[in-house]
Amino acid sequence: EAQVTQNPRYLITVTGKKLTVTCSQNMNHEYMSWYRQDPGLGLRQIYYSMNVEVTDKGDVPEGYKVSRKEKRNFPLILESPSPNQTSLYFCASKAGGGGTQYFGPGTRLLVL
Amino acid sequence: QKEVEQNSGPLSVPEGAIASLNCTYSDRVSQSFFWYRQYSGKSPELIMSIYSNGDKEDGRFTAQLNKASQYVSLLIRDSQPSDSATYLCAVNIYPNTGNQFYFGTGTSLTVIP
Repeated sequence: EAQVTQNPRYLITVTGKKLTVTCSQNMNHEYMSWYRQDPGLGLRQIYYSMNVEVTDKGDVPEGYKVSRKEKRNFPLILESPSPNQTSLYFCASKAGGGGTQYFGPGTRLLVL
Repeated sequence: QKEVEQNSGPLSVPEGAIASLNCTYSDRVSQSFFWYRQYSGKSPELIMSIYSNGDKEDGRFTAQLNKASQYVSLLIRDSQPSDSATYLCAVNIYPNTGNQFYFGTGTSLTVIP
């Protein structure tokens, strides 16, 4: 089954404790992206990657890091989480060029 | 100014009616346009994509794009209670060598049986 998976699905952490949210896709997609969704602000793009070793900032990259060492994986790293990073995070992937963007199930993060 | 703006609603229509959702965008180099449906607590799923001016129909859904007016809309005919969800408008732009997506804040639709 074609899918985007994220782990963990729910995470409660404390300010400053480094965390990683993993994202994996099995569709051989070139493009992968991370979004955060907040009430009243909608989905905002954090980082995206157009292929292995190629990453670029989206609209709200501050406080986040990403890497793309393999085509299927695109982890999101919060090196020093803060409460304003409490949000619902989605990973997505699509084929290069056009095409449908498929979303993962989401990761709900609470930073205390 | 936000890249993509939608009326947040809520929009309520009776079952069987036409629901009309609207979206405006600010970037004139926007290339591709999408409508996603998102049920509460779930991830967005693609309803329609549209790339050129005019109408595109898929079953009960019709997307309309007017690049001159920077306007994209979604019509849902014969609305069903299962259509009750938040609808997200998204635009895809290609700044220089990049490829970014901008989403609106969504319009909440309720279809009343």
